[in-house]
Amino acid sequence: GQQLNQSPQSMFIQEGEDVSMNCTSSSIFNTWLWYKQDPGEGPVLLIALYKAGELTSNGRLTAQFGITRKDSFLNISASIPSDVGIYFCAGYPTGANSKLTFGKGITLSVRP
Amino acid sequence: EAQVTQNPRYLITVTGKKLTVTCSQNMNHEYMSWYRQDPGLGLRQIYYSMNVEVTDKGDVPEGYKVSRKEKRNFPLILESPSPNQTSLYFCASRDYSTDTQYFGPGTRLTVL
Repeated sequence: GQQLNQSPQSMFIQEGEDVSMNCTSSSIFNTWLWYKQDPGEGPVLLIALYKAGELTSNGRLTAQFGITRKDSFLNISASIPSDVGIYFCAGYPTGANSKLTFGKGITLSVRP
Repeated sequence: EAQVTQNPRYLITVTGKKLTVTCSQNMNHEYMSWYRQDPGLGLRQIYYSMNVEVTDKGDVPEGYKVSRKEKRNFPLILESPSPNQTSLYFCASRDYSTDTQYFGPGTRLTVL
């Protein structure tokens, strides 16, 4: 099936730093979602994006729906220790009854 | 509080012993699905249901069954579990109005 590409698999940053992640696809998506998963818990929705070029913020998080509709970006500013976790991108490709497609996630570590 | 619940959260069983993982949502969503999450493979859809009495296979349905007799519940059934079904399982429901998907807290299953 379709895949969303997220890399690298892991990122290590210092507390207070900003970090940027991106997610790419070979096909066009109608909706982009960003989730965070804490250890032992289910993914929690952070931001949803619905149209090309859209920029949406949720606290220190900002995400953008790429203009080509084949990518999306998530930025975390002024990172704190509780930002640690796995960040997934997900999206609905074009087409009726399309299924939610996931990236494999990026594990973020924040050094105090 | 809007939520997806799963039970049990943790389960250790033996090969061949039938088990059921329950899933319930209180958001009146029509669409529900089950995923398994494995290291390096990300989230993979097992089965989904677009409404009561309507279920369909996802990407990895072998060895699983589901039922959808009422809108709020979507149990996952393993008739004869095998060790390769050891995994972290998530139930999810989809809000069509916002095109977002909400996940349960997960069930960690170990099959010995």
